[in-house]
Amino acid sequence: AQTVTQSQPEMSVQEAETVTLSCTYDTSENNYYLFWYKQPPSRQMILVIRQEAYKQQNATENRFSVNFQKAAKSFSLKISDSQLGDTAMYFCAFMKRSNDYKLSFGAGTTVTVRA
Amino acid sequence: AAGVIQSPRHLIKEKRETATLKCYPIPRHDTVYWYQQGPGQDPQFLISFYEKMQSDKGSIPDRFSAQQFSDYHSELNMSSLELGDSALYFCASGKTGPNEQYFGPGTRLTVT
Repeated sequence: AQTVTQSQPEMSVQEAETVTLSCTYDTSENNYYLFWYKQPPSRQMILVIRQEAYKQQNATENRFSVNFQKAAKSFSLKISDSQLGDTAMYFCAFMKRSNDYKLSFGAGTTVTVRA
Repeated sequence: AAGVIQSPRHLIKEKRETATLKCYPIPRHDTVYWYQQGPGQDPQFLISFYEKMQSDKGSIPDRFSAQQFSDYHSELNMSSLELGDSALYFCASGKTGPNEQYFGPGTRLTVT
């Protein structure tokens, strides 16, 4: 079974600044996928970014980027130039590459962007 | 672009009643996933379907059952409801494989 750990329950950041969310995971799989999902107050789950474990290059989506360290089983999310609309709960999630494709989520980190 | 549709959006039931949640996946998506998110918790996988067959099962109570129909919509049936079943229930759809899952807006179930 895979476990995903997010050790920061809450984080606060000033608008326009940068914040980094940590995520570690435990798995015996060699091939897998990692995701960050955003859940704003509306409770909608929105995919932020995705990383394939077999790719060494870190994924980037506009102001969102990840630091994927496979050996350390670490997958952090950096939000640059934070905006008020980034205020949300952020979930790190793991998916195996074969047989079953369910998402296993971490406990989440609440990010508050201050004006 | 079409998104995942869930109905109803809100549902209030009493203990021991039955509830049915519906999910309409994005067109041409062949896989549906159901997740349960309790208050202040992360989403937990319940069950998934691929081409109308159950493909995986998580921590879904025996009181719950689900199926996927010929038009690919899915229904989650919940019987003998308990207070602890109060949660946000998400349906997500995608193309089979390690692909992105697109979440619906969720159904908020409150059991009183």
